[in-house]
Amino acid sequence: ETGVTQTPRHLVMGMTNKKSLKCEQHLGHNAMYWYKQSAKKPLELMFVYNFKEQTENNSVPSRFSPECPNSSHLFLHLHTLQPEDSALYLCASQGGDVYGYTFGSGTRLTVV
Amino acid sequence: SQQGEEDPQALSIQEGENATMNCSYKTSINNLQWYRQNSGRGLVHLILIRSNEREKHSGRLRVTLDTSKKSSSLLITASRAADTASYFCATDTQGGSEKLVFGKGTKLTVNP
Repeated sequence: ETGVTQTPRHLVMGMTNKKSLKCEQHLGHNAMYWYKQSAKKPLELMFVYNFKEQTENNSVPSRFSPECPNSSHLFLHLHTLQPEDSALYLCASQGGDVYGYTFGSGTRLTVV
Repeated sequence: SQQGEEDPQALSIQEGENATMNCSYKTSINNLQWYRQNSGRGLVHLILIRSNEREKHSGRLRVTLDTSKKSSSLLITASRAADTASYFCATDTQGGSEKLVFGKGTKLTVNP
């Protein structure tokens, strides 16, 4: 385990469903990130949170709604998704003197 | 937007051989990082090289950085089957917010 835990590991949802992805870290990191990884595309940064405040929204459609209630938890709320939103969603954290990111194992999302 | 671009896209070698992957980027950077990803899992931070460094070693890994050419290379010596994974470079852009931008990655296969 890396110290960043993502749940669920796999999720299948219909286009009319509402679901949430969860990310949790107890590494004391102050920055948390959501990335999307689709086949044959670079990792796409979606959202950045620093000390619970959103500092970047990379032009993500409003059907993706992030929430960061505290520095240890990050959620991604999903509603009315499209099949092209199917991807691996990765959460990462970073903090202190460590510049490298610590990633979770990801949630494999399939939209049917 | 994509910053780093790895080359080659795929590399297949025999155990014991060395593997070299290259990364080119477009804008000035603070540092460049390399990550590894096993299939369907999260990324693992391997090594960071700062913009004022030219070479760095960590175990069987050797990273070089040429800021004049905006390029970096990752060398894995004496490869093992367990090194089979995708490898990504990521850049932390000067003057930008605290975020990493990743390339598409090199898929390395080490045949036993």
